[in-house]
Amino acid sequence: KQEVTQIPAALSVPEGENLVLNCSFTDSAIYNLQWFRQDPGKGLTSLLLIQSSQREQTSGRLNASLDKSSGRSTLYIAASQPGDSATYLCAVSMEYGNKLVFGAGTILRVKS
Amino acid sequence: DAGVIQSPRHEVTEMGQEVTLRCKPISGHDYLFWYRQTMMRGLELLIYFNNNVPIDDSGMPEDRFSAKMPNASFSTLKIQPSEPRDSAVYFCASRPGDGLAPGEQFFGPGTRLTVL
Repeated sequence: KQEVTQIPAALSVPEGENLVLNCSFTDSAIYNLQWFRQDPGKGLTSLLLIQSSQREQTSGRLNASLDKSSGRSTLYIAASQPGDSATYLCAVSMEYGNKLVFGAGTILRVKS
Repeated sequence: DAGVIQSPRHEVTEMGQEVTLRCKPISGHDYLFWYRQTMMRGLELLIYFNNNVPIDDSGMPEDRFSAKMPNASFSTLKIQPSEPRDSAVYFCASRPGDGLAPGEQFFGPGTRLTVL
């Protein structure tokens, strides 16, 4: 059974810092990996999707990497801003983009 | 596009009552998913449809839960009878068919259900 772990569970940083969120998964036979952002009381916003054949994806200040063989992904946020404060969720897909298995999330607080 | 639309946004009901949650996926998306989010268990997939056909309902917790997709633009998740442990946020998500931005799912705002 696929299990997804996210470390740290919570992170508080001053504005402007670069930071890394970690995600690990137990079964490397994934189809893709998706990073989401969730604001309090809101739905999930897709940030980046990495196919199993890819090593990384970039969008603005965000960069996500994937090491499928070791079962790890990282989300790098450059020059963090207070508006980045949210819960960040990692999810792996076990079947053609379906059956997402989620981690518990990292709660990020960026202090101004 | 308006994105995935869910209604109601909040639902408070009493134990034993029937609850129906509704979802309108993004137009043109072939797949629709229902998830449940709780503090204890996080986000879990309940069921998903492809072209209105249920493909995998292994995440549906009990027979009290049922889901339908009568057409490409509408789905319901029904709980009958509801119990306090069903209290959670229920999300609907959709994605395009295979070959188009494969795998990326788009989520609705969720329905926060409280069963008293």
